[in-house]
Formats: sequence, structure tokens, C-alpha cells
Amino acid sequence: SFELTQPPSVSVSPGQTARITCSGDALPKQYAYWYQQKSGQAPVLVIYKDSERPSGIPERFSGSSSGTTVTLTISGVQAEDEADYYCQSADSSGTYVVFGGGTNLTVL
Amino acid sequence: QVQLVESGGGLVKPGGSLRLSCAASGFTFSDYYMSWIRQAPGKGLEWVSYISSSGSTIYYAGSVKGRFTISRDNAKNSLYLQMNSLRAEDTAVYYCARRPTVALLYYFDYWGQGTLVTVSS
Repeated sequence: SFELTQPPSVSVSPGQTARITCSGDALPKQYAYWYQQKSGQAPVLVIYKDSERPSGIPERFSGSSSGTTVTLTISGVQAEDEADYYCQSADSSGTYVVFGGGTNLTVL
Repeated sequence: QVQLVESGGGLVKPGGSLRLSCAASGFTFSDYYMSWIRQAPGKGLEWVSYISSSGSTIYYAGSVKGRFTISRDNAKNSLYLQMNSLRAEDTAVYYCARRPTVALLYYFDYWGQGTLVTVSS
């Protein structure tokens, strides 16, 4: 098994850039995916294949990868972006799916 | 539009059983892998199980292996999770989610709203 590690919380002011990291040994071998979960709602996919954005997701959401760390970047953060964000990947064989512990983004 | 609607949650005693269902619509159900993912109150997401489009390939998280059984009925566009020997730590909202059937991609593009399972005496 493997783990994905995220910071528990990140805080930014409106209009600033938020960066949320996710680290894991398997990340060079497997893509990472990111989900946004607002309070009381189901998760929503915001990034897939490290950096691809699904249709309907604002351009201010972007993803990047470097070695064992992937990063979700939200440029020009808005109040509506306040949520929990989870990274997710799979083991090298695709047998097991793993989620990071989640990062609570607070917009000050 | 894609819809996933879970049902079957509720209060059950430790050691008891429960069967969750997920009704799918708006897409060709038999073309997609499906998964169950859970979230304990105030906690993060935990993958539980997934099943291939035909049902021939199934995987479970270690925490539920041997106690939970995932299945599907493509004729009824439905996904199921039979949960036996339930424990307090199984208390969570259970989400059904769709996984695109693309080789080497393991993500979930649509999620249901979830059904709450509470295991308590």
C-alpha cells in the first residue's frame, strides 16, 4: 500500500493564489487527480491526469507534477473556492485507489 | 445527464448487515467501472471497492475485504454493496462513483449524493 500526504489546511485572501501539495512515492508512476468537496456536498473532480481540467471547471484551477509531489493551484481565489480538496491516485498495478487526507482551503 | 442515486443506508447494530444500492441513469452503465467510496463523519475520503464493467474484476480495500461484497446488475443499471459483520468504524456516508473505462486512468468523474450508514448499538 502507499500513502498520499497533504497539508491539513491552507489559507489565502481573495484574489491570491492558493497552492495545495500532495506527496507520495507512487506519484511518479501514476497520475494524480484532485477533487473539491464543499460542506455537505459530494466531491467534484477538478483535475485529472495531473493537469487536465474537466469541462465546466474554471480555468483558475490547474495542476502540476514534479517527482513525488503534485500541486493543485487555484489562481485568483474566490470565496466560492472555500472547500476541502483531496488528491487521489492508485498503486502501480491499479488495484488499489488511495486518497490523500484532504486539505481545508480557507478564504480569509 | 449522468445521475447516481444511492439508497439503503440506515442504522444497524454492530455485527449486522446492510445492502446499499446505487441507481444509475444518463449513461450506458454497462460501459463503465463503478466504485464505492466512503467518508466517516468529519473525516476524509476512503476508497472501498470497485467493479469492472462486466463484473469480472473486483477489488476491495483491506479494511473491508472479506466483509463487503460489491456487485452490479447491468440490466437494471444498478450497483450494490452488501455489507456484513458491520463495525462502528464502518459508520460513514457511502458514495457510489463512476470510473471512466480508460486504461491506466483511475479516477471518478461522477459521484452520487451518498447514503449514511450508522453502526451503533
